Amino acid sequence: DAGITQSPRHKVTETGTPVTLRCHQTENHRYMYWYRQDPGHGLRLIHYSYGVKDTDKGEVSDGYSVSRSKTEDFLLTLESATSSQTSVYFCAISESSSGGSSTDTQYFGPGTRLTVL
Amino acid sequence: AQSVAQPEDQVNVAEGNPLTVKCTYSVSGNPYLFWYVQYPNRGLQFLLKYITGDNLVKGSYGFEAEFNKSQTSFHLKKPSALVSDSALYFCAVRGVNTGGFKTIFGAGTRLFVKA
Repeated sequence: DAGITQSPRHKVTETGTPVTLRCHQTENHRYMYWYRQDPGHGLRLIHYSYGVKDTDKGEVSDGYSVSRSKTEDFLLTLESATSSQTSVYFCAISESSSGGSSTDTQYFGPGTRLTVL
Repeated sequence: AQSVAQPEDQVNVAEGNPLTVKCTYSVSGNPYLFWYVQYPNRGLQFLLKYITGDNLVKGSYGFEAEFNKSQTSFHLKKPSALVSDSALYFCAVRGVNTGGFKTIFGAGTRLFVKA
C-alpha cells in the first residue's frame, strides 16, 4: 500500500467520545487526504493537507478536524463521535496535486473501520 | 459541478469472458480520469489513468479503459476475466485545471467473476 499505514485498523467507540485516527507515510509526499467510504457513496473527501500545518476542508468536513505537524503524519480527529460517523476511513497521499504526470495520482492506505455505538 | 456515475452496482461475468465496467462523467473542460480497484479489507489500488493522448489506456493486471469524449465515458475493460478480478471498482474524475482535492469518486461497481 505505497508506504502508507493507518492506525488503528479497527475501533469501536461510544457516542460522544473523542477519536483520533492516524495516517503515516514513508514516501515523503506533500499531499495527504482523508476520505470516508460508505455504501452507495463511494469515497468522499473529509479534509486534505498540502503541507505541514497547511490543511483545508473537503466536502464532508463537519464534525472532523485534522492536524499535520510533520510531513509523514496526518491525524483525523472526531471531537465527539456520532453514529453517523460510523464508516471506513481511508488516508491517501500524492506527490503533487495538479498536472498530468504520475505524481498527482493518489495512493491509499489500508483503511480504518470505525464503529460508533 | 463535477460528477461521476457508475450505473451498475454489480457486474457478473464468467471466467474467460470479456468484462466491461461502465463509467460516465461530467466535468468542465478536459478531464483526468482514473480507475481504482479495492479488494476485501484493503485500500484502493490504482489501476490506470487517462491524461491526454491515446484514448485507449492500458493499466495493471491486463485492464484497459477507453476514453470517449463525445459520450463522456471511460469504461474499464478486460479481454478475459479471472476469478481473482472479483473486487470493487471505482471510477474517479477531476478537471485538468483543478487540484487532486477535487477528485470525485463514483459509488463503485462490484465485479463478480464466476469460475
